[in-house]
Amino acid sequence: AQSVTQLGSHVSVSEGALVLLRCNYSSSVPPYLFWYVQYPNQGLQLLLKYTTGATLVKGINGFEAEFKKSETSFHLTKPSAHMSDAAEYFCAVSGRNYGGSQGNLIFGKGTKLSVKP
Amino acid sequence: GAGVSQSPRYKVAKRGQDVALRCDPISGHVSLFWYQQALGQGPEFLTYFQNEAQLDKSGLPSDRFFAERPEGSVSTLKIQRTQQEDSAVYLCASSARDRGMNTEAFFGQGTRLTVV
Repeated sequence: AQSVTQLGSHVSVSEGALVLLRCNYSSSVPPYLFWYVQYPNQGLQLLLKYTTGATLVKGINGFEAEFKKSETSFHLTKPSAHMSDAAEYFCAVSGRNYGGSQGNLIFGKGTKLSVKP
Repeated sequence: GAGVSQSPRYKVAKRGQDVALRCDPISGHVSLFWYQQALGQGPEFLTYFQNEAQLDKSGLPSDRFFAERPEGSVSTLKIQRTQQEDSAVYLCASSARDRGMNTEAFFGQGTRLTVV
């Protein structure tokens, strides 16, 4: 069975500071991993994903994440926070695969990021 | 349409009332998912359609929940005899078919259901 743990339900950083959002996963098979962002009253938007290949994945808005199998982690980082980054971030792992088609996603509980001026 | 569209955006239902939530996926997308997102939680999987076939309904919390996608496009999630614990945001997502897992799931803005 797959699961995701996001450490820290709230993270606050100053504008221009490093953003680090932590995600650890559990998976009995090689995982596919995702980070989504959710702005208030909006749906989820994909930031980045890891499927196979390079373990450092770059996404939109300057975010990146590194898949570390030995640590079962997929932490999200951004070198310099911007006010517009304030949102809730969800880490997800792929769940059941439907015969080759996109599988369902298993989400963590989310981390709310606040950016102080 | 350009994205996944859900309606209504907001629904207030009295306890015991039946509700129907609609999802219009991106045109041509084969896969369609429903998720339930309770306040302060991450989305949780409810059910999956591949075209009109409901291949997985393991996440539906009770037999009061029913989903359909009769023509392989628009989907409806129906909740009968709503209870307060059904209050949540219901998210729909669609994706194109791919042999692997490299397809992206596009999410709608969700329907916020409040049961009073």
